[in-house]
Amino acid sequence: QQPVQSPQAVILREGEDAVINCSSSKALYSVHWYRQKHGEAPVFLMILLKGGEQKGHEKISASFNEKKQQSSLYLTASQPSYSGTYFCGTEKRTGNQFYFGTGTSLTVIP
Amino acid sequence: KAGVTQTPRYLIKTRGQQVTLSCSPISGHRSVSWYQQTPGQGLQFLFEYFSETQRNKGNFPGRFSGRQFSNSRSEMNVSTLELGDSALYLCASSSATSGETQYFGPGTRLLVL
Repeated sequence: QQPVQSPQAVILREGEDAVINCSSSKALYSVHWYRQKHGEAPVFLMILLKGGEQKGHEKISASFNEKKQQSSLYLTASQPSYSGTYFCGTEKRTGNQFYFGTGTSLTVIP
Repeated sequence: KAGVTQTPRYLIKTRGQQVTLSCSPISGHRSVSWYQQTPGQGLQFLFEYFSETQRNKGNFPGRFSGRQFSNSRSEMNVSTLELGDSALYLCASSSATSGETQYFGPGTRLLVL
């Protein structure tokens, strides 16, 4: 039931864009996105509650395709501060269990 | 508001011992979830408490247990420790049980020798 993320790892040069995908085999109620830097706790980025919803702030945005049970995180004009491991977290429509994705390691080289 | 706090931050135990970890959520938050993070398994859901009741439980053996107090503080207990229990244990609090942002504490790093 753990969502699968792709790619597993990506290396960018500063200013490049990236897309991280999160796919679930179960119907989803919501999708959360978190970033975790090495040695730190995960930090909330955004939550998407409705199918088709898109959210974003500054140069990080996300979309949620409820029918496909997928979410994508878009990072544009990347900066070194974006480096870290990105996790999606999903909730099913029934029950309150929360599952984190497999994680995507993002490295932005100055 | 103060963030989520966890104590202790680091812990070393030996196989067979038991351990209790503590989590104090953000003031006003009634939901506390616990996660185990390891390099091999990633972030795994342990259980979630809301208003002193366990609402959901992940796929962990009965050696892992928890409870929540009336002030929303939560404790997690692991009995008969195994080497594989070495991990970072994170707790997260939120104001409700679903669809709400989870705020993570700094974690307790447990090493079992």
